[in-house]
Amino acid sequence: GAVVSQHPSWVICKSGTSVKIECRSLDFQATTMFWYRQFPKQSLMLMATSNEGSKATYEQGVEKDKFLINHASLTLSTLTVTSAHPEDSSFYICSAIELRELHEQYFGPGTRLTVT
Amino acid sequence: GNSVTQMEGPVTLSEEAFLTINCTYTATGYPSLFWYVQYPGEGLQLLLKATKADDKGSNKGFEATYRKETTSFHLEKGSVQVSDSAVYFCALTRNSGNTPLVFGKGTRLSVIA
Repeated sequence: GAVVSQHPSWVICKSGTSVKIECRSLDFQATTMFWYRQFPKQSLMLMATSNEGSKATYEQGVEKDKFLINHASLTLSTLTVTSAHPEDSSFYICSAIELRELHEQYFGPGTRLTVT
Repeated sequence: GNSVTQMEGPVTLSEEAFLTINCTYTATGYPSLFWYVQYPGEGLQLLLKATKADDKGSNKGFEATYRKETTSFHLEKGSVQVSDSAVYFCALTRNSGNTPLVFGKGTRLSVIA
């Protein structure tokens, strides 16, 4: 089946620094990738929709200047958390839709971000 | 808007017990329905899905039937194992492609030997 990877799998950073998380579709092309955020023992909340070659669409309440998304190719989307604060600590998960299977999303393993 | 409601957990069962996790949805049109599973320390994995009314999704002994009349997609397994301990998420997406998933809050299942 289709594989989505994320890097890094976990990261610890200091307040005020920026962190970049990569999401790659390893064996398929994805015009659309989604970024979700999961708080401990809670569900996944959609942050933004990333479309290759265009600007990301952010959900209400998500600061686009804080969570920068770039989808420069059909296999890579990046999420950069800028000027991170402890409240940004969370589990970030991406998913990708394969071009030929529009109704199925493949999830990355997630990235745990801890801001100290 | 679209939403998914699933039973609150945690659910604790003995091995070989029968499992039901209820899931109901609200959606316009005819969504596709999914169950995802998240094992401890891992990402989400698709467990099963159904794309139209009366479809039954099944995998690893788990089943769920798309019931349009009751807007439900309850997850069942006849005999759970310790290895089934995980968090289960019910989700839906519109059948128009390239749309994100809407998740329920998740139900944590613990199976004890």
